[in-house]
Amino acid sequence: ILNVEQSPQSLHVQEGDSTNFTCSFPSSNFYALHWYRWETAKSPEALFVMTLNGDEKKKGRISATLNTKEGYSYLYIKGSQPEDSATYLCAFINNFNKFYFGSGTKLNVKP
Amino acid sequence: DAGVIQSPRHEVTEMGQEVTLRCKPISGHNSLFWYRQTMMRGLELLIYFNNNVPIDDSGMPEDRFSAKMPNASFSTLKIQPSEPRDSAVYFCASTPTGARYEQYFGPGTRLTVT
Repeated sequence: ILNVEQSPQSLHVQEGDSTNFTCSFPSSNFYALHWYRWETAKSPEALFVMTLNGDEKKKGRISATLNTKEGYSYLYIKGSQPEDSATYLCAFINNFNKFYFGSGTKLNVKP
Repeated sequence: DAGVIQSPRHEVTEMGQEVTLRCKPISGHNSLFWYRQTMMRGLELLIYFNNNVPIDDSGMPEDRFSAKMPNASFSTLKIQPSEPRDSAVYFCASTPTGARYEQYFGPGTRLTVT
């Protein structure tokens, strides 16, 4: 069984706080890692696709890093806003094109 | 571009009936993915196509499920016969090519089997 784990499961922060969460995945047969933002009752929205060890990607106040050798990726949100409230989901894709999703980190940003 | 289009948006059917879900990927995208979201199992990949060819269907739950992509602009996911445990939101997503590109998700089809 291949595990993709995300922590924490949920997070409550105040507006303006910076926060980060983790996606852990197997360090072997790595092909790509995806991060998604998923608001309740909407479709997942792609944030980042990361493919190389050491990758760092940024989109506005959100950034992500990737360490394929140790099998983790961090997602950072700087200065959280209420509109950042969503579930952040990661997916590990291996060399056999198999997708494995984590269970997500649910972020709630209080005004 | 209109994005990924799915139909119907909602489907309510009785157990035993055939259900067909439809997806139109973004024009020019060569890869198409079908997902299922349930409370118990979260988001699961059911099958994905590259250039209309199924690449991985290991996520398809059982023989009652089948998916086709007869051309680059259309795919169907069929459940026959449907069961109450098939109730879920089914998403379709497309990418330019393969798993190293961002996936664009459709709005989903909420299926309820009574």
